[in-house]
Amino acid sequence: NAGVMQNPRHLVRRRGQEARLRCSPMKGHSHVYWYRQLPEEGLKFMVYLQKENIIDESGMPKERFSAEFPKEGPSILRIQQVVRGDSAAYFCASSPPPRGSLNYNSPLHFGNGTRLTVT
Amino acid sequence: AQTVTQSQPEMSVQEAETVTLSCTYDTSESDYYLFWYKQPPSRQMILVIRQEAYKQQNATENRFSVNFQKAAKSFSLKISDSQLGDAAMYFCAYRTLYGGATNKLIFGTGTLLAVQP
Repeated sequence: NAGVMQNPRHLVRRRGQEARLRCSPMKGHSHVYWYRQLPEEGLKFMVYLQKENIIDESGMPKERFSAEFPKEGPSILRIQQVVRGDSAAYFCASSPPPRGSLNYNSPLHFGNGTRLTVT
Repeated sequence: AQTVTQSQPEMSVQEAETVTLSCTYDTSESDYYLFWYKQPPSRQMILVIRQEAYKQQNATENRFSVNFQKAAKSFSLKISDSQLGDAAMYFCAYRTLYGGATNKLIFGTGTLLAVQP
């Protein structure tokens, strides 16, 4: 069973270009989370999606950032007009939907991240 | 809102010795999960150990164990018989027990552990 797959592993963009980061969740996982890790910092939540629906985008910057998780295909984190401050490692995690009558959460499984460098 | 605090930016331990990494958190919830993740230089996030807040018994995974003090909101990680491969950044994380819009993982800022041969 393949884990969470992120690509590319490394992405270099010049200022003003667009960055598209992809995440394929584990098989059977319908929930995806994106996190950003700035240099020397911990992971910060960005957005939580399930298929065709954004559940929580409270950590997303208001401008230039968007995310989607279509019915078919990977989840995409899109950064338009990148700036140097966007340079970071972006991690995707997935989980199955909450289970049982009490909606228990299952553990998150992380991908290996995409390191974005903006020059 | 929940917060997670790791007050030790860096720690060092001799190979084969024991080290304890500290973590405190703040929440108004009574049921939740706590985690320790390891991030080696490869950047992969590896789940080390997990604790459910409703369980009084401290979780243990081989050489890794936790000291969970719910009233004090403290969740420390003890690594016994430290090995060179344990050198990594360690993150403490919190997650609500139940599903819904607030079930994201909240991370601390991390502790960089060095293991000296």
